[in-house]
Amino acid sequence: EDQVTQSPEALRLQEGESSSLNCSYTVSGLRGLFWYRQDPGKGPEFLFTLYSAGEEKEKERLKATLTKKESFLHITAPKPEDSATYLCAVQEGLGTDKLIFGTGTRLQVFP
Amino acid sequence: EAQVTQNPRYLITVTGKKLTVTCSQNMNHEYMSWYRQDPGLGLRQIYYSMNVEVTDKGDVPEGYKVSRKEKRNFPLILESPSPNQTSLYFCASSLYPPERVSSYEQYFGPGTRLTVT
Repeated sequence: EDQVTQSPEALRLQEGESSSLNCSYTVSGLRGLFWYRQDPGKGPEFLFTLYSAGEEKEKERLKATLTKKESFLHITAPKPEDSATYLCAVQEGLGTDKLIFGTGTRLQVFP
Repeated sequence: EAQVTQNPRYLITVTGKKLTVTCSQNMNHEYMSWYRQDPGLGLRQIYYSMNVEVTDKGDVPEGYKVSRKEKRNFPLILESPSPNQTSLYFCASSLYPPERVSSYEQYFGPGTRLTVT
């Protein structure tokens, strides 16, 4: 069964303390991996799309990378406004447009 | 302003009373989806639509119906709601389906919190 697993479930960081979030997946032929940010009470906000192993994308303090089995979201020198839940989603296999989401990592950054 | 709107934002109803949650986007997007979000289970896709009159099942379609008669609207219909459909629902849209573009960007609505008693 195709699965997407995110770790850790929750992460508390001091402002400026860099770290990484992990998204591991098992799908029969990755078509695309997507990262989203979700603030409490709001819909997810698109961050990145990754399509092939070795690909990297950056946006401000965030950098997403992709290998054949997992993706990392690196957060460099985080600020309190980076606090949110970060979701990973994978496009499932061939011949379908279905997306499978992980359960997310809840990040809290303290001043 | 480019956006996805959903109505209502909050709804409390009783078992068996048919309801419709509306979703509309003003970006001329082809691809639209409905998701439900439950604690510990994450976002699960209910139905998606590649274009007008083209819809397909996601991971959890049982108990739901959708229609896509116009490009901008994608309503979610619960013919006979049950308590296990209590959830937070999101509508989303993108210009094209995930596999057709090199940088797929999906816009989500603000969510509809549904409680079925």
